[in-house]
Amino acid sequence: NAGVMQNPRHLVRRRGQEARLRCSPMKGHSHVYWYRQLPEEGLKFMVYLQKENIIDESGMPKERFSAEFPKEGPSILRIQQVVRGDSAAYFCASSPMSSSNGYTFGSGTRLTVV
Amino acid sequence: GQQLNQSPQSMFIQEGEDVSMNCTSSSIFNTWLWYKQDPGEGPVLLIALYKAGELTSNGRLTAQFGITRKDSFLNISASIPSDVGIYFCAGQRDDKIIFGKGTRLHILP
Repeated sequence: NAGVMQNPRHLVRRRGQEARLRCSPMKGHSHVYWYRQLPEEGLKFMVYLQKENIIDESGMPKERFSAEFPKEGPSILRIQQVVRGDSAAYFCASSPMSSSNGYTFGSGTRLTVV
Repeated sequence: GQQLNQSPQSMFIQEGEDVSMNCTSSSIFNTWLWYKQDPGEGPVLLIALYKAGELTSNGRLTAQFGITRKDSFLNISASIPSDVGIYFCAGQRDDKIIFGKGTRLHILP
């Protein structure tokens, strides 16, 4: 049973380009969460999705960031017109339908904006 | 917003020493979690705590859910080199998890 799969592991983008980060949850998990981690910081919640629905996006910046979790395929975190401040590690996590047991995290995508 | 205060920020210890770190919050959580993050990887769940006062062990790790539900501690006994990493406390309420800023554990040669 594969864990949470994120790709790419490393992504380099020039300022103004778009970044697309993909996350495939664990088999049987229908809840997906995205977190951002800046260097020397903890993980900051961004968005919580279930299939085809955004449940909580209170941690998402109001502009340039969007997330989706379609009926088929991975969850996508999209960052448009990236700026240097978007450089960070982005982690995806998943959980079963209802869980109070924490999440399982992927290995992250490290975005560098040059 | 909700904040978790985790201390210490970093620790430098000798191999074989015991380690203690803690986490406090201004809010009550239903579940306390402790994760470990190795360089270049995502956090891995170490221990989950579900009831106030609960004391749970996982090998050399012991964690407790505070009586007030606003704090938790993690102890590591007889540290070994592979314990190096960042330890995060996290509080869960409903489906959202809030993380502390982490305790960076270094083991001196």
